[in-house]
Amino acid sequence: AQSVTQPDIHITVSEGASLELRCNYSYGATPYLFWYVQSPGQGLQLLLKYFSGDTLVQGIKGFEAEFKRSQSSFNLRKPSVHWSDAAEYFCASHFGNEKLTFGTGTRLTIIP
Amino acid sequence: GAVVSQHPSWVICKSGTSVKIECRSLDFQATTMFWYRQFPKQSLMLMATSNEGSKATYEQGVEKDKFLINHASLTLSTLTVTSAHPEDSSFYICSASSRVNEKLFFGSGTQLSVL
Repeated sequence: AQSVTQPDIHITVSEGASLELRCNYSYGATPYLFWYVQSPGQGLQLLLKYFSGDTLVQGIKGFEAEFKRSQSSFNLRKPSVHWSDAAEYFCASHFGNEKLTFGTGTRLTIIP
Repeated sequence: GAVVSQHPSWVICKSGTSVKIECRSLDFQATTMFWYRQFPKQSLMLMATSNEGSKATYEQGVEKDKFLINHASLTLSTLTVTSAHPEDSSFYICSASSRVNEKLFFGSGTQLSVL
């Protein structure tokens, strides 16, 4: 069965430091991949998505993600985090007409 | 960990009929629930936010008379697709949180096919 794994439940980063959130998927072929952010009290917001083509995807709010087929990974990165980036981040994927599968989420805390 | 149960996981219905999807928080009180819709090859679209005991807040472009949301208790929210049409065929997913700043938990989703 398809699955999405986010190994880190909680990450704490200093403001201004770089960030990388990990995401791994299990599929035989390349799925469609997404990163969503959930700010407190809000619904999900799409940060970026990968369908095909360039493996480095640029998203909103200064985020980017790189698809690495050899590692079955789609890690989210940001060079310098801001206090407003504190939120829950979800990686998700689907393949073909199958339903969207979410990772369990990574909570990001920003310290001054 | 917290569990959100969504039922049914898939449903096929005739055009013109109504379909109800349930979203239950099994081991926590969900003060807020979100309903999303996913179109093929696209990302999730937030349809509405429901808070227990009050009317749902619908996103722009979502027909509230067509997609009825009820959040009558702290453990149950329902989405009813009224007079369903083939274009309503989609994957619907709910999520729930116990209060502001708490983690969001997702249901397993419902695949709706309208014939």
